[in-house]
Amino acid sequence: AQTIHQWPVAEIKAVGSPLSLGCTIKGKSSPNLYWYWQATGGTLQQLFYSITVGQVESVVQLNLSASRPKDDQFILSTEKLLLSHSGFYLCAWSRDNSGNTLYFGEGSRLIVV
Amino acid sequence: AQSVTQPDARVTVSEGASLQLRCKYSYSGTPYLFWYVQYPRQGLQLLLKYYSGDPVVQGVNGFEAEFSKSNSSFHLRKASVHWSDSAVYFCVLSSIASSSFSKLVFGQGTSLSVVP
Repeated sequence: AQTIHQWPVAEIKAVGSPLSLGCTIKGKSSPNLYWYWQATGGTLQQLFYSITVGQVESVVQLNLSASRPKDDQFILSTEKLLLSHSGFYLCAWSRDNSGNTLYFGEGSRLIVV
Repeated sequence: AQSVTQPDARVTVSEGASLQLRCKYSYSGTPYLFWYVQYPRQGLQLLLKYYSGDPVVQGVNGFEAEFSKSNSSFHLRKASVHWSDSAVYFCVLSSIASSSFSKLVFGQGTSLSVVP
């Protein structure tokens, strides 16, 4: 069975500090990977997607970047956090890009102060 | 342009009562439609999905949804709710095999509260 794990579960960070959120998928080779952002009480907004190692596409510009250093790993990062980066970050995977089901991680909650 | 509208931001029902959460979509092609549920401080879990065929699809925990092309709707239903169904429900639209890679459009979500 496939599993998806996100870390850290939660973080409180200062404005201007760096951030790194991670996501690992086990049990599935070459998954499509996604990062979503959810403002408190809001809907989900797709940030990035990746179909293969080393290839990441940006969907929206939020002063964030993403990388896929390994087939099973997806990293979201920034060198300088903004207050607007606060929210819930969700990693997801799917089997292909034909509108198939997304499977979400448990999320990482970020509070920027 | 694709869009999903969930007109009810909050719904409160009594335990044991029936439930309908509304979802309207806008898409010129044939959509993939999903309902996801998000429990407090957790990720999203798939309830059910519709690709084609029978317009009524069954999901987990007694949920079902009915696709209507004429009404551009995909309403979620449950015959008898339980307190554990309290959560936020998202209706999601995906275009089929388009050049825009796996673009999903999420509704705003409906927060369901089940009261005694």
